[in-house]
Amino acid sequence: AQSVTQLDSQVPVFEEAPVELRCNYSSSVSVYLFWYVQYPNQGLQLLLKYLSGSTLVKGINGFEAEFNKSQTSFHLRKPSVHISDTAEYFCAVNRNTGGFKTIFGAGTRLFVKA
Amino acid sequence: GAVVSQHPSRVICKSGTSVKIECRSLDFQATTMFWYRQFPKQSLMLMATSNEGSKATYEQGVEKDKFLINHASLTLSTLTVTSAHPEDSSFYICSAQAVDSIKTQYFGPGTRLLVL
Repeated sequence: AQSVTQLDSQVPVFEEAPVELRCNYSSSVSVYLFWYVQYPNQGLQLLLKYLSGSTLVKGINGFEAEFNKSQTSFHLRKPSVHISDTAEYFCAVNRNTGGFKTIFGAGTRLFVKA
Repeated sequence: GAVVSQHPSRVICKSGTSVKIECRSLDFQATTMFWYRQFPKQSLMLMATSNEGSKATYEQGVEKDKFLINHASLTLSTLTVTSAHPEDSSFYICSAQAVDSIKTQYFGPGTRLLVL
């Protein structure tokens, strides 16, 4: 079975500062990894995904994430955040063989302050 | 591309009534759709997985007779909350997986249900 741990429930950061949202996963099989963003009272929007190939994945809105197999991590980063990045961020994992069930982390609330 | 809509966006109903929520993939075909429930400040809880033309697969603890799911076409799935009660009040989100995508889900904007 797979599981996802988002180590920080809340991350406050000042505008234009860099940010890293941490995500660790556990799985006995190879997985695909995703980051989604959720703005208040909205559904989830895909930020980026790792399926295979380069371990550094670039997504929308200036976000990127790096897949580290040895550390079973998929941390999300942005070099300079904006007020508009304030939202809930979810890391998710799905096994890449069989089954479609996606496992979501508990979420990290990014709060960007002026 | 890959837009998923939900209707209605918000609904208030009386206890004991039934509510239907629609989930549509607007510009792609989805063989698989998922229904989630989200409580305030919590992650998504998968309720069921529906495949076009077949019965939905419900997660453990989700009542099949209470949350009826129909996936009649490649672009439409519906969730009906039958005999709704206040404890069913929640944010319901659907997602759809395109036929040619690799495990990527596209999410609807969600439906806020309030049962009085």
